Amino acid sequence: AQKITQTQPGMFVQEKEAVTLDCTYDTSDQSYGLFWYKQPSSGEMIFLIYQGSYDEQNATEGRYSLNFQKARKSANLVISASQLGDSAMYFCAMREGWYGGSQGNLIFGKGTKLSVKP
Amino acid sequence: EADIYQTPRYLVIGTGKKITLECSQTMGHDKMYWYQQDPGMELHLIHYSYGVNSTEKGDLSSESTVSRIRTEHFPLTLESARPSHTSQYLCASKQGQEQFFGPGTRLTVL
Repeated sequence: AQKITQTQPGMFVQEKEAVTLDCTYDTSDQSYGLFWYKQPSSGEMIFLIYQGSYDEQNATEGRYSLNFQKARKSANLVISASQLGDSAMYFCAMREGWYGGSQGNLIFGKGTKLSVKP
Repeated sequence: EADIYQTPRYLVIGTGKKITLECSQTMGHDKMYWYQQDPGMELHLIHYSYGVNSTEKGDLSSESTVSRIRTEHFPLTLESARPSHTSQYLCASKQGQEQFFGPGTRLTVL
């Protein structure tokens, strides 16, 4: 069964507008972590934001926020005030278990290609 | 800022050649990972290591092998490259919650 589902292969957004990238996950663990990474055309993976399963507040990092809805098993990424440099692939990932006692391995979704229009 | 390096960045090689993709990190992280990523697709874990002399295969079966003789170094080797090995290979190391990725090696096997 697919663990991470990103249903939007591609998204367009106008510069300076906000955009939401969808991510749903499947796990039977009570403890897990959710991550978003950005991958520009150059290929490197850039860490954006992290949400732990026991975190009560939604994570925020600058223009990035994670809309965590535990009951729905969703972890959508919200980018506010889009910039041209935000055009890239975005991957949602999950780590099952506590990082200290588990493998810490990540499972990635198929990604969403975001294009920001001027 | 993460210091994790991969060489070469780009490699075009003929079928049957032996290749080694280098990965090194200067952060002293125990956990290191290799991912394979086809263009426009998700990352798949092919190898990981929890420390010196520890290596494990990941979720995606791979004909490559790895070694971990030193903490900072985690090379990946293909004994006989084939066109099906054409892909991007990303190395990562982990500290706490975050995995730090190297810039990747784009491998093309003709």
